[in-house]
Amino acid sequence: GAGVSQSPSNKVTEKGKDVELRCDPISGHTALYWYRQSLGQGLEFLIYFQGNSAPDKSGLPSDRFSAERTGGSVSTLTIQRTQQEDSAVYLCASSLAQRVEQYFGPGTRLTVT
Amino acid sequence: AQSVTQPDIHITVSEGASLELRCNYSYGATPYLFWYVQSPGQGLQLLLKYFSGDTLVQGIKGFEAEFKRSQSSFNLRKPSVHWSDAAEYFCAVGARQAGTALIFGKGTTLSVSS
Repeated sequence: GAGVSQSPSNKVTEKGKDVELRCDPISGHTALYWYRQSLGQGLEFLIYFQGNSAPDKSGLPSDRFSAERTGGSVSTLTIQRTQQEDSAVYLCASSLAQRVEQYFGPGTRLTVT
Repeated sequence: AQSVTQPDIHITVSEGASLELRCNYSYGATPYLFWYVQSPGQGLQLLLKYFSGDTLVQGIKGFEAEFKRSQSSFNLRKPSVHWSDAAEYFCAVGARQAGTALIFGKGTTLSVSS
């Protein structure tokens, strides 16, 4: 079946602009995670959604970062007033409700110039 | 603090030779353990996982990993490496409950020489 999809695959933006990154999880997966992969930092957790519960935002690095999940499926990660240090690959993962293993999308490479 | 250490940043192995990638973790209790592989420009693919039971687990693409509680290790092995195995490998741990973030090591890049 179809895996996790993310769009765009690449995004180049100017410092100070807002960006939106999209994630479409595997059908039937109610849990959705966002991670950031940057050089020297490895993979860092950003935010977690499970069904209609309040999201776990404990990994968001600043209030410029936000995410929403509409209809329990597609999620959008928004970064406002982008900074150069936001340059990274943003990975989305999904899992079944009571399962631990996560399945990752191909990522969005964000470059802030 | 919870952490995952992959001591080798980069390993080069000859095609056909055996491979072992090291992973050590620090965690409050025995976590769930995972190995993922990432090819250039791709997302992470789950290779294998350990939850409980037999400490030697088999995964896809001929990989296996052994959990050693006494050493807090979960090393990945493959008896004979293929050129297509060249990629970055990540060890990760997670709590024994759904809905928690995985903690990843910084990865080991595997190069395969002919």
